[in-house]
Amino acid sequence: EVQLVESGGGLVQPGGSLRLSCAASGFTFSSYAMSWVRQAPGKGLEWVSAISGSGGSTYYADSVKGRFTISRDNSKNTLYLQMNSLRAEDTAVYYCAKDVVPAGVDAFDIWGQGTMVTVSS
Amino acid sequence: EIVMTQSPATLSVSPGERATLSCRASQSVSSNLAWYQQKPGQAPRLLIYGASTRATGIPARFSGSGSGTEFTLTISSLQSEDFAVYYCQQYNNWPPRITFGQGTRLEIK
Repeated sequence: EVQLVESGGGLVQPGGSLRLSCAASGFTFSSYAMSWVRQAPGKGLEWVSAISGSGGSTYYADSVKGRFTISRDNSKNTLYLQMNSLRAEDTAVYYCAKDVVPAGVDAFDIWGQGTMVTVSS
Repeated sequence: EIVMTQSPATLSVSPGERATLSCRASQSVSSNLAWYQQKPGQAPRLLIYGASTRATGIPARFSGSGSGTEFTLTISSLQSEDFAVYYCQQYNNWPPRITFGQGTRLEIK
């Protein structure tokens, strides 16, 4: 079964850091670009970041550029999101998502269950 | 940034009837457009990509059309499980700058 399982969310103070993980199974992880997408409480979806299958290329939304770092360990089938200098507006459920096709960054056919990040003092 | 605008914000339709949801892009995204369904407390589910290709396991009552800046998701005969929020997403930029519409809530009339 193709599956993504996120972990690492929690409560953090403004200015703090958090590292999210996403464990993948059931597909050839290194063949697919992966993304993080977030959803603030009661709001819509916002793409955060993407990484190529090899890990050699990374992409970020302007709202997180310079503060968040996406990475992957293909030997462990795991995706990461290092979040620094967190702000209240980063409060959201964070989903990892798999690209529907092996090439490029496009639509997402598999999503994790999400992990909640709350930034508050 | 490509802005995606969905209409209407809320659509009230009776079970068994047809629902038509719209999505407009602020500039052409070719056919690089996807549709998702999201139910409360759940992750989004991919319905359509490439503007008109149904994702694996998606029933035939879901169909997508359009290209350029105007797109439509049609649900031909609404089932009870179809009442949810629907999002469109463009993925036309390179380097990637993926954007989503604000969502259309499909509710039971």
